[in-house]
Amino acid sequence: ELKVEQNPLFLSMQEGKNYTIYCNYSTTSDRLYWYRQDPGKSLESLFVLLSNGAVKQEGRLMASLDTKARLSTLHITAAVHDLSATYFCAVRSSSPNFGNEKLTFGTGTRLTIIP
Amino acid sequence: DTEVTQTPKHLVMGMTNKKSLKCEQHMGHRAMYWYKQKAKKPPELMFVYSYEKLSINESVPSRFSPECPNSSLLNLHLHALQPEDSALYLCASSQPHDTPTNEKLFFGSGTQLSVL
Repeated sequence: ELKVEQNPLFLSMQEGKNYTIYCNYSTTSDRLYWYRQDPGKSLESLFVLLSNGAVKQEGRLMASLDTKARLSTLHITAAVHDLSATYFCAVRSSSPNFGNEKLTFGTGTRLTIIP
Repeated sequence: DTEVTQTPKHLVMGMTNKKSLKCEQHMGHRAMYWYKQKAKKPPELMFVYSYEKLSINESVPSRFSPECPNSSLLNLHLHALQPEDSALYLCASSQPHDTPTNEKLFFGSGTQLSVL
């Protein structure tokens, strides 16, 4: 059974600082996603990482994937208040049934940026 | 149009009621999903439809009954729910995994369900 763990679960950081969220998963997978969720809202897709060594950046967020270590990171650079949200990684099962996409979500990291 | 539309946004129902949640997408996606999310927890997969056929049921109680009338619509029929079923119900869609452009799961804004 695929297990996905994130750490930290809670992160409070000052504006302007850098930090990294970690996502570990237990079995081989060919795809990893990062999502953002604001309170009471839906999930916003941030990144899709498809291969070992993949790195993607959007604004102050950068995601990377190491499939050998089964580890993905989400790095936040010079944090601003607008980045306060819960961040989830999600891992696709390596052998999905034909025609569908089974994702297992990590535990989530609740990020609070303090002015 | 890159939206997944869910209605209603909020729903309060008693344990003897029957209600339905609706989801619609016009992106031509042939895979549609229901997820359940309890407060401060990650989403959990409930059902997957591929090409309008139920392909995954994650051992969901029969008081939840999914339906996919066509490739754009997905319903979740609710009957005799329990208070512990109160949660945010999220619909999502994607291209099937066998298509080259399958990269993202698009989520709707969700239905916040309260069972009294």
